[in-house]
Amino acid sequence: SQQGEEDPQALSIQEGENATMNCSYKTSINNLQWYRQNSGRGLVHLILIRSNEREKHSGRLRVTLDTSKKSSSLLITASRAADTASYFCATDNAGGTSYGKLTFGQGTILTVHP
Amino acid sequence: EAQVTQNPRYLITVTGKKLTVTCSQNMNHEYMSWYRQDPGLGLRQIYYSMNVEVTDKGDVPEGYKVSRKEKRNFPLILESPSPNQTSLYFCASSYIGNEQFFGPGTRLTVL
Repeated sequence: SQQGEEDPQALSIQEGENATMNCSYKTSINNLQWYRQNSGRGLVHLILIRSNEREKHSGRLRVTLDTSKKSSSLLITASRAADTASYFCATDNAGGTSYGKLTFGQGTILTVHP
Repeated sequence: EAQVTQNPRYLITVTGKKLTVTCSQNMNHEYMSWYRQDPGLGLRQIYYSMNVEVTDKGDVPEGYKVSRKEKRNFPLILESPSPNQTSLYFCASSYIGNEQFFGPGTRLTVL
């Protein structure tokens, strides 16, 4: 079953606005990763946040992780039309093999209007 | 250039005809994985490998086989494809516990 669940499923904003996407999960994790996908193409890694971290930044991206609530958020500031894409969270689930068993959410479709 | 390559990129086949989708990476990554992406279902992990000769099942392994004889290659084998395996397939690689690098995808249609 899918562990990572993104919210909202779709988000439509104007250029310059901020976009926030949320991800919830159910089990313990080693890390949580955010990816971007443009229209059926390969996924591109954005940020990885480990279970002992609470916040990470990369350019216009800010990711937070709340392990007590089993949730994460991705904030894109000052959005651009080129940010239009699907965004996925993926959890690397702690378990017998420790790493490697990744579970992706169904994604948030972000549309940024010029 | 660091990359993950998949071949073929597009494939149309018929039920029951064995096929192999190749995946190769040039980054010396220990970890490799296969996913399928279907509308409304997101990406689901099929198999993954932590190193040579070490493979493990993901969430949807039925109907698929993999092998990891060399570090750089991780082929996905469909012994007897069925129409429900029509999907977009992605291979990915990484250092263990780190971000994954994805291939461009293979669009498979099984008639």
